Amino acid sequence: AQSVTQPDIHITVSEGASLELRCNYSYGATPYLFWYVQSPGQGLQLLLKYFSGDTLVQGIKGFEAEFKRSQSSFNLRKPSVHWSDAAEYFCAVAPPNDYKLSFGAGTTVTVRA
Amino acid sequence: DAGVIQSPRHEVTEMGQEVTLRCKPISGHDYLFWYRQTMMRGLELLIYFNNNVPIDDSGMPEDRFSAKMPNASFSTLKIQPSEPRDSAVYFCASNPEGGEQYFGPGTRLTVT
Repeated sequence: AQSVTQPDIHITVSEGASLELRCNYSYGATPYLFWYVQSPGQGLQLLLKYFSGDTLVQGIKGFEAEFKRSQSSFNLRKPSVHWSDAAEYFCAVAPPNDYKLSFGAGTTVTVRA
Repeated sequence: DAGVIQSPRHEVTEMGQEVTLRCKPISGHDYLFWYRQTMMRGLELLIYFNNNVPIDDSGMPEDRFSAKMPNASFSTLKIQPSEPRDSAVYFCASNPEGGEQYFGPGTRLTVT
């Protein structure tokens, strides 16, 4: 069975600073990998996904993520955060050619002025 | 497109009552998913459908929960009887074949 670990429950970052959110997965093969963002009281929005190919993936809102097979990681990054990036971020995995998402526990990002 | 539509957005009910949550997926999407989000357990997949047929209901907690998809544009998740531990936010999501999942805004259920 697949599992996802997001080691950081809460991160506080200053506006304009860089952000990195960690995600590690456990799966027998390379799964499909996703990052979602959830604003308070809202549903989840897909930021980016990795299926195969280039291990550096660009997403919406200036986010990118890098897949590292050797570390079973898919960390999310943004060079310069904006106050509107304050939200909860979820890493998710799915078996190849499947849509059953398994989510990590989430990381809450607070942006201070 | 209006996106995935869920109703009601908020539901407060008493223990023992029947609760029905509704979802309208995005037109043309072949897959529909029901998730539950709680502080203790995070986001859990309950059940998903492909072309209106239930494919995997292994996440449904117990027999009190049932889900149906009578046609391509409508699905329900029913809890009967409801219990306080069912309090959560329930999300519906849909995706087309080979595409990404789009989530609805969720239904916040409170069982007192």
